[in-house]
Amino acid sequence: SQQGEEDPQALSIQEGENATMNCSYKTSINNLQWYRQNSGRGLVHLILIRSNEREKHSGRLRVTLDTSKKSSSLLITASRAADTASYFCAPFSGGYNKLIFGAGTRLAVHP
Amino acid sequence: DTAVSQTPKYLVTQMGNDKSIKCEQNLGHDTMYWYKQDSKKFLKIMFSYNNKELIINETVPNRFSPKSPDKAHLNLHINSLELGDSAVYFCASSGDSLNTGELFFGEGSRLTVL
Repeated sequence: SQQGEEDPQALSIQEGENATMNCSYKTSINNLQWYRQNSGRGLVHLILIRSNEREKHSGRLRVTLDTSKKSSSLLITASRAADTASYFCAPFSGGYNKLIFGAGTRLAVHP
Repeated sequence: DTAVSQTPKYLVTQMGNDKSIKCEQNLGHDTMYWYKQDSKKFLKIMFSYNNKELIINETVPNRFSPKSPDKAHLNLHINSLELGDSAVYFCASSGDSLNTGELFFGEGSRLTVL
């Protein structure tokens, strides 16, 4: 199992702007997952990208994966105040490997 | 219908007391987890059970004892509570047929030890 490292630690933008956060990991993966945590709530799964995929879209979310650089990015387009949350990446190596989370990226979207 | 539910949501208690947090999932998953989130928001895995069998046991004081009476339930009992145990404890489950490792989290149980 391995931990994803999110960057930046904090991001502050205006509504309507795009938000990009990055994730790096160390060893090979089956997939990489992104989660969101609103203040005082549990984590919610956003999107999963498999190791043989390079890009994936879901609504306003776009995730990329570069396995050669062991990195992923999450782009939120046309951000809204409701996107204010912490975002975590979690690389998954399969089997009983556990998901280990980093400190996340705290995104603040200002109206 | 709540997929992963934890009780209680808030728990305030004195040092030295014993307390339990309960978790239930109605997703039919085989694997359940306890995570601890400290004040700096780091989520640390504590335990994992697969079909009532302990499969992950991180370096956690033995004052913490998980119990899984069946695969839909995973409870966490904490003895002799200490100030440092104050945190938010999250239960999660996984077990999709494709084994993607996707986790479904409960809403958390905020424990405050005074």
